[in-house]
Amino acid sequence: AQKITQTQPGMFVQEKEAVTLDCTYDTSDPSYGLFWYKQPSSGEMIFLIYQGSYDQQNATEGRYSLNFQKARKSANLVISASQLGDSAMYFCAMREGYTGANSKLTFGKGITLSVRP
Amino acid sequence: GAGVSQSPSNKVTEKGKDVELRCDPISGHTALYWYRQSLGQGLEFLIYFQGNSAPDKSGLPSDRFSAERTGGSVSTLTIQRTQQEDSAVYLCASSTRVETQYFGPGTRLLVL
Repeated sequence: AQKITQTQPGMFVQEKEAVTLDCTYDTSDPSYGLFWYKQPSSGEMIFLIYQGSYDQQNATEGRYSLNFQKARKSANLVISASQLGDSAMYFCAMREGYTGANSKLTFGKGITLSVRP
Repeated sequence: GAGVSQSPSNKVTEKGKDVELRCDPISGHTALYWYRQSLGQGLEFLIYFQGNSAPDKSGLPSDRFSAERTGGSVSTLTIQRTQQEDSAVYLCASSTRVETQYFGPGTRLLVL
């Protein structure tokens, strides 16, 4: 089974509207971390937001928030007030292991988001 | 401060040749990672260095791939006898004990 699943086709959103990008994950480890990265056409990977498995509250970073539903094993990214510069590929990733450890990230296949003016 | 840097930014090589890709992590970051991204795909883990510990090589696709990290800083990923399927973007990331991995701009490798 895939550890990170991103199945949405290319997403479109009108500028200034909110959009949700879906991510489901699969792990038997009770300790894990979930990440979202943005990859614009230039190719760099830009960190957006992090959620730890034991965090009680959903993570927020500016216009980004993570809708973490542990029982459903989902970690959807919500972008509020979309901007043209948000057009990019978005990757969900997971680190398995105890908080604070450094270990590899497993990435989903990504979702393409296009923001329409 | 300076981010993760990688060189070269682009590399074109002929099938069968060896290539070396370089990564300079963020100063003070103890962990360094290599990933590979094939066209239109997500990132695939290759290898991970943490301080002086033995590296996690579990993601290396074949024995043609190797990596070293000298002095706990700069890392070199070497691909021997390159094949066309090795064509991809090779991304390096570094981190501290805190969660986030910060990525470099990548090296785009094309094997003809």
